[in-house]
Amino acid sequence: GQSLEQPSEVTAVEGAIVQINCTYQTSGFYGLSWYQQHDGGAPTFLSYNGLDGLEETGRFSSFLSRSDSYGYLLLQELQMKDSASYFCAVMDSSYKLIFGSGTRLLVRP
Amino acid sequence: NAGVTQTPKFRVLKTGQSMTLLCAQDMNHEYMYWYRQDPGMGLRLIHYSVGEGTTAKGEVPDGYNVSRLKKQNFLLGLESAAPSQTSVYFCASSTGTSGIGNEQFFGPGTRLTVL
Repeated sequence: GQSLEQPSEVTAVEGAIVQINCTYQTSGFYGLSWYQQHDGGAPTFLSYNGLDGLEETGRFSSFLSRSDSYGYLLLQELQMKDSASYFCAVMDSSYKLIFGSGTRLLVRP
Repeated sequence: NAGVTQTPKFRVLKTGQSMTLLCAQDMNHEYMYWYRQDPGMGLRLIHYSVGEGTTAKGEVPDGYNVSRLKKQNFLLGLESAAPSQTSVYFCASSTGTSGIGNEQFFGPGTRLTVL
């Protein structure tokens, strides 16, 4: 089967750094993506890792280790607007995404 | 560009009724997808299409049918709605290329309640 594991909830203080981990077990793997979803909104793309290593996009970074079937999303200089759900998703060989259950991030003042 | 649009935004059905959800994209994307999202959960793929005239089953296809007669449109049908189909339905599209080019663009969602 295919499964992705990520924490259900994370709380952090404004201005801090938070890391959201994701481990996966899938039959095919073509990359790990991260999506952000605010309450009542649609998911929006944040980042993609096809190869091992770190990808940086502004305050957000994403890391992948294919040998460990593990990745993480790092959010720096947290802002209140970062309060949202974050989903890791594995792309399989048919360009389909398999989503994790999501991590709800609460940023406190 | 409007991106990905979905109609309707909200709908309430009675058990056994049928309905069609419409998804349209103006980005000339080859791939289109239908997901459902239940409270506190991730998105689960219902059906997808890799091009005009083609469709394929996803993770949870039972009770749903789809059609892709035009490249820009992807229809999701419920022939006989059941309370278990109460959910938020998202449509998405992508270029279908590998790597970062396969970023999926999501519509705003349709909130469906089946009584």
